[in-house]
Amino acid sequence: AQKVTQAQTEISVVEKEDVTLDCVYETRDTTYYLFWYKQPPSGELVFLIRRNSFDEQNEISGRYSWNFQKSTSSFNFTITASQVVDSAVYFCALSEWGNTGFQKLVFGTGTRLLVSP
Amino acid sequence: NAGVTQTPKFRVLKTGQSMTLLCAQDMNHEYMYWYRQDPGMGLRLIHYSVGEGTTAKGEVPDGYNVSRLKKQNFLLGLESAAPSQTSVYFCASRPGTTEAFFGQGTRLTVV
Repeated sequence: AQKVTQAQTEISVVEKEDVTLDCVYETRDTTYYLFWYKQPPSGELVFLIRRNSFDEQNEISGRYSWNFQKSTSSFNFTITASQVVDSAVYFCALSEWGNTGFQKLVFGTGTRLLVSP
Repeated sequence: NAGVTQTPKFRVLKTGQSMTLLCAQDMNHEYMYWYRQDPGMGLRLIHYSVGEGTTAKGEVPDGYNVSRLKKQNFLLGLESAAPSQTSVYFCASRPGTTEAFFGQGTRLTVV
């Protein structure tokens, strides 16, 4: 069965520090998708990135970067030079191949990031 | 652009009452999902649907039923609400392998 583990419950940093959020997943399939979402204090869920299991290239988008390593089943998320506006709960998610397509989409328990000025 | 709309946004129920949460999407997406979010538990999948007329159980389906009679709508029912079902409920839809689009959430309190 598919599973996503975010072992860090809460992380506190001071503005401008770099921070890495860990995500470890379990799946029996060779084809799957991984996602990161952000949930700011306002409560909505904001999509950040999608990565398929065949693409292990790291990705950088502004201050955000993602490190996907199939060998360790990890998809970690780094924020460089954190800002107060980065304060949110961040979720990692996994979509596994089902009988007719990528059906189930399961989430980790989330990591709450607090960035103080 | 409406996207994914959840109705209602807030609700207070008494134990034993029933209710239906409506999720409507206007993006012609095949897959739809219902999650509940509780402190420290993340988003847990209740039920999901891979197309009109189909439903499947997720991680925490007990106490809930769903229906997908029309492609654009995914209904979540609580037949006999319990305080343990106090939660924030999120609906989501996705066309396939891309990201899921979420509604704004429904805050349900069962007293």
